[in-house]
Amino acid sequence: AQSVSQHNHHVILSEAASLELGCNYSYGGTVNLFWYVQYPGQHLQLLLKYFSGDPLVKGIKGFEAEFIKSKFSFNLRKPSVQWSDTAEYFCAVRSHNQGGKLIFGQGTELSVKP
Amino acid sequence: GAVVSQHPSWVICKSGTSVKIECRSLDFQATTMFWYRQFPKQSLMLMATSNEGSKATYEQGVEKDKFLINHASLTLSTLTVTSAHPEDSSFYICSAAGTGGSAKNIQYFGAGTRLSVL
Repeated sequence: AQSVSQHNHHVILSEAASLELGCNYSYGGTVNLFWYVQYPGQHLQLLLKYFSGDPLVKGIKGFEAEFIKSKFSFNLRKPSVQWSDTAEYFCAVRSHNQGGKLIFGQGTELSVKP
Repeated sequence: GAVVSQHPSWVICKSGTSVKIECRSLDFQATTMFWYRQFPKQSLMLMATSNEGSKATYEQGVEKDKFLINHASLTLSTLTVTSAHPEDSSFYICSAAGTGGSAKNIQYFGAGTRLSVL
């Protein structure tokens, strides 16, 4: 079945550690890729997106993600996390073959220890 | 940036009553809005796509007679949970899709509504 998979359900890091959250999708054709963040008690906010062009995209707050088409992956990275990065992170895929709907991964809870 | 307002943020109701949730795009027009449901510690599941001036498109397994969606203007969509039951208790989130410029094809999310049915 077509889906979006985030392999890490809960990640615990110390401040200044590097972060990489995995995201894989199984949709064919043209896709738009997104990472959203949900801070405790807040709404989802867009971190970054990929539509076309340079597969390495930079987002807000020092986050970046790399689209690797051959691996159907869009992993999120940050070289040095902060306590304030503690949040839930969602990968989402908008497939043109699926009528443009946004399909979310299961989410990854990131806890950063001060 | 684009702001989506959702109201109320929390509602408690008795079983059998109906609850209306509003979703407004405050600073942009949204021809398409989406309604999601999120269970604790789980992802967002799309319930329906709401198009201004036309009937909503429901995802498989979502009862359209139970979850009534109205998108009467370019800035407002409503979700009415009719005859709510405890199993309808959940977190409901709306989003609005931008239509032009850098906002095109990006969904902006409301803060969500926590529904508790007693």
